[in-house]
Amino acid sequence: SQTIHQWPATLVQPVGSPLSLECTVEGTSNPNLYWYRQAAGRGLQLLFYSVGIGQISSEVPQNLSASRPQDRQFILSSKKLLLSDSGFYLCAWSIGGLGVYEQYFGPGTRLTVT
Amino acid sequence: AQKITQTQPGMFVQEKEAVTLDCTYDTSDQSYGLFWYKQPSSGEMIFLIYQGSYDEQNATEGRYSLNFQKARKSANLVISASQLGDSAMYFCAMRVNTGNQFYFGTGTSLTVIP
Repeated sequence: SQTIHQWPATLVQPVGSPLSLECTVEGTSNPNLYWYRQAAGRGLQLLFYSVGIGQISSEVPQNLSASRPQDRQFILSSKKLLLSDSGFYLCAWSIGGLGVYEQYFGPGTRLTVT
Repeated sequence: AQKITQTQPGMFVQEKEAVTLDCTYDTSDQSYGLFWYKQPSSGEMIFLIYQGSYDEQNATEGRYSLNFQKARKSANLVISASQLGDSAMYFCAMRVNTGNQFYFGTGTSLTVIP
């Protein structure tokens, strides 16, 4: 069966510090991978998605970036965090290729920028 | 452009009663999928049910069923015999076959009253 890991679970970082959140998927190959952000009490905002190694589509032009160095690894980064980067970050995967398949989410990372 | 609309910010239901959460969608694609997710207070997004645009039968998964009315572009979630553990945020989502993105609604907060 497939499993998605995401870490850390919680993170408190000062403004201007760097960020690195990691997500890995087990039990599947060539998945589509996604990063979302959710502000408190709000819906999901798609940040990035990837259909393959090194292929990143950005939905929100911000101080965040994403990379996919391996097939089942997706990393969200920032060089300098802003207060507005606080939120709940969710990684997700779905089966890649043609077809409409459901999306499965990791446990999320609660980021507080102070 | 694809769009998901959930017009009920909050809903209350008595324990053991059924409840319907509304979702309407907009797309010009003929092939697409509709999804419902549950987000308890822990934050994790849990996949509940899927309906394909070409499926003639309404999807069911245990106490969850999806009332799919294609002509009206609605995909309402019906939860039967509500339980206290059903209290959560519920998100409707869509993905079209020609794209990799998932489009989410703003969510409905469901509270089950004992």
